[in-house]
Amino acid sequence: KQEVTQIPAALSVPEGENLVLNCSFTDSAIYNLQWFRQDPGKGLTSLLLIQSSQREQTSGRLNASLDKSSGRSTLYIAASQPGDSATYLCAVYDNYGQNFVFGPGTRLSVLP
Amino acid sequence: EAGVAQSPRYKIIEKRQSVAFWCNPISGHATLYWYQQILGQGPKLLIQFQNNGVVDDSQLPKDRFSAERLKGVDSTLKIQPAKLEDSAVYLCASSLLGTTTNEKLFFGSGTQLSVL
Repeated sequence: KQEVTQIPAALSVPEGENLVLNCSFTDSAIYNLQWFRQDPGKGLTSLLLIQSSQREQTSGRLNASLDKSSGRSTLYIAASQPGDSATYLCAVYDNYGQNFVFGPGTRLSVLP
Repeated sequence: EAGVAQSPRYKIIEKRQSVAFWCNPISGHATLYWYQQILGQGPKLLIQFQNNGVVDDSQLPKDRFSAERLKGVDSTLKIQPAKLEDSAVYLCASSLLGTTTNEKLFFGSGTQLSVL
């Protein structure tokens, strides 16, 4: 059974810092991995999608990498801003279960 | 483009009562999902529809939860009777065809359910 973990559970950084969020999954048989952002009381917004054949994806200040063999993904946020404060979740699309398995998320606070 | 619409935003009920949630996906999206998100956890899939057929409902507690998707568009999720442990945010999501085509998921704002 696919399991997804995220470290750290919470992170607080001063504005302007570069930071890395980590995601690990137990079964490398995945179609893709997505990183989502969730603001308090809101749904999830897809930030980046990495297909299983890809190594990384970039969007603005965000860069996500995927190492399928080791079961890891990282989300790099450059020059963090207070508006980046949210919970970031990763999810893998599992080949066997044929659906998304989500991690518990990392709650990020960027202090002005 | 209009997003995924859900209602109500909040619902407070007593245990053993019934409750229903409604979802309207993005126009043209064939696949619709209902997720349950308990505080501090990631969303857990309850049921997945492809058009108006069920693809996966293996994690839906069928003794109390039911869902339907009429005409392959809107969907309702019902809980009857509710238990305390059903307190959670219920999220609806949709995608154009299906996630095996490496498509993004689009989520609604969710319904926050409190069972007292």
